[in-house]
Amino acid sequence: ETGVTQTPRHLVMGMTNKKSLKCEQHLGHNAMYWYKQSAKKPLELMFVYNFKEQTENNSVPSRFSPECPNSSHLFLHLHTLQPEDSALYLCASSQEAGPFSNQPQHFGDGTRLSIL
Amino acid sequence: AQSVTQLDSQVPVFEEAPVELRCNYSSSVSVYLFWYVQYPNQGLQLLLKYLSGSTLVKGINGFEAEFNKSQTSFHLRKPSVHISDTAEYFCAVTPTGRRALTFGSGTRLQVQP
Repeated sequence: ETGVTQTPRHLVMGMTNKKSLKCEQHLGHNAMYWYKQSAKKPLELMFVYNFKEQTENNSVPSRFSPECPNSSHLFLHLHTLQPEDSALYLCASSQEAGPFSNQPQHFGDGTRLSIL
Repeated sequence: AQSVTQLDSQVPVFEEAPVELRCNYSSSVSVYLFWYVQYPNQGLQLLLKYLSGSTLVKGINGFEAEFNKSQTSFHLRKPSVHISDTAEYFCAVTPTGRRALTFGSGTRLQVQP
């Protein structure tokens, strides 16, 4: 299996549920990202991890909690979400080459999340 | 801070016609530029990137883009489109020293027979 794999592909949950999104990359990359893609809005960066360390948190509400146990896996734990959180959540990875990395990001197919 | 403007939300075009998707950016620092494509129900795929050197960049599927620093533009072109090119196209920038992309709002290319 190659590339960036996200599971599940679709998720429907109530506002009081707790669920997790999973991302796995088989590209040997060191940086991983979570993005949110809502209808009619540009892609929004949520979190960035480099060598398992969180380097950016783009003012994301605490009901979204990321976890990066190693460079190949990234999770997004969800709790008490709101209807406006319904969106496509995309994971990406890139090869880190020092502080001035210009490597392109490789995206997974995303998880379509619907909040009831 | 950086921003990316894609001037056209939708571009309808007939098959085998040429197409240009426009992208302008603003940034106070040097940037790298990217074009991604998103086919229905799929994630993003890198089409091409500009890092340095020649301002004309060739990518996959016959697409190319030209970096114009004075006009802060990075327009995407294809001389002859196919039905299979129907998708959403995103322009993005990364300033040197950062790891994350800032995306435009996307342009939906609709190729008609």
